[in-house]
Amino acid sequence: ETGVTQSPTHLIKTRGQQVTLRCSSQSGHNTVSWYQQALGQGPQFIFQYYREEENGRGNFPPRFSGLQFPNYSSELNVNALELDDSALYLCASSLGTNSGANVLTFGAGSRLTVL
Amino acid sequence: GIQVEQSPPDLILQEGANSTLRCNFSDSVNNLQWFHQNPWGQLINLFYIPSGTKQNGRLSATTVATERYSLLYISSSQTTDSGVYFCAALNYGGATNKLIFGTGTLLAVQP
Repeated sequence: ETGVTQSPTHLIKTRGQQVTLRCSSQSGHNTVSWYQQALGQGPQFIFQYYREEENGRGNFPPRFSGLQFPNYSSELNVNALELDDSALYLCASSLGTNSGANVLTFGAGSRLTVL
Repeated sequence: GIQVEQSPPDLILQEGANSTLRCNFSDSVNNLQWFHQNPWGQLINLFYIPSGTKQNGRLSATTVATERYSLLYISSSQTTDSGVYFCAALNYGGATNKLIFGTGTLLAVQP
């Protein structure tokens, strides 16, 4: 059973640029959630993808967008990067969207630095 | 929305000591999980425990849902236990995996 894998592990961008982060879900999981973790804070929910559609979103602007592919892998895209977007971006996979029953499995994250 | 608070914010232990970490949540939950984040950022799920008590080796957790708190016990701590411990919760009515995380407890275990 493979876990959740994310790429790249680290990257540096400048303000105004765009970034794409990738996530492969754990084998057998069909739901992917993305979280942003700023330094010294707990992770914050960005959005969730199920059956290739976004079906839940946190308090993040539209320049944060995503995709889910038929193999359940996912991408997080951030446009017009701002300095405050510097953070660890975590992907989590689970089976289904029943909030009361899901154990989330997290990847190791992609650390984004915006200069 | 639901709020999650953790205490203490920081904790320093000598190897072999025991500790208790606390998580308070402001509303009923149907999903509560404890995570350990290692120095490389990886979040490891320790317990899925919306109610009751579970044990896994030196770790155990108890959630008293009616009183809206959860406790994580670490016994005979080891240096590898160091890192940040997060509690995360979901309340009823959600159709997403929108876990609300606390701000964490930073644990340092000294040899």
